[in-house]
Amino acid sequence: QVQLVESGGGLVKPGGSLRLSCAASGFTFSDYYMTWIRQAPGKGLEWVSYISSSGISIFYADSVKGRFTISRDNAKNSLYLQMNSLRAEDTAVYYCARDYVTPDYWGQGTLVTVSS
Amino acid sequence: EIVLTQSPGTLSLSPGERATLSCRASQSVISSYLAWYQQKPGQAPRLLIYGASSRATGIPDRFSGSGSGTDFTLTISRLEPEDFAVYYCQQYGSSPRLTFGQGTKLEIK
Repeated sequence: QVQLVESGGGLVKPGGSLRLSCAASGFTFSDYYMTWIRQAPGKGLEWVSYISSSGISIFYADSVKGRFTISRDNAKNSLYLQMNSLRAEDTAVYYCARDYVTPDYWGQGTLVTVSS
Repeated sequence: EIVLTQSPGTLSLSPGERATLSCRASQSVISSYLAWYQQKPGQAPRLLIYGASSRATGIPDRFSGSGSGTDFTLTISRLEPEDFAVYYCQQYGSSPRLTFGQGTKLEIK
């Protein structure tokens, strides 16, 4: 069965950095586009970034462009999100999701808290 | 960017009743690329409907989606206790830049 497990979240000070990981299993990872989506506490869902199956095509939401970097390692069945220059408004649960037409399977998320 | 507006914000119904949730887009959604998700507290969203009306794998047939253009509807024919949750619509016509509605909370009356 499809499994996505995020890790790497935690408490970080404003201006700091964090790298999230997403370990995929149960499907051929290299065949699928992947997406990061976040949800601030008590709020709705916000698309963050997207990467094609080969890693060649990458897109970011305007709110994170220039600060976040998405990448993947198909040999390790893993997706990553490098987050730099973090702000309080980046505080959220970050979900990785398999993207087949639209995000169809999601991980359970990892909480990122940006606070001094 | 396409803005999705969901109504009502909260819907209070009893098990066995029919639920009708609305999602209106600020401009036409390309090829009815509209999805619905269910989210329970502490859980990740679960895909229910894609392409406006196609049920995702394993989704019971009491869930149905309809609509096109700018107006879409999620209908739950007979509410089960496990259906009480928050529901989000999402457009992917401008993929990869997905946008979500603000959500409708379906609560037990």
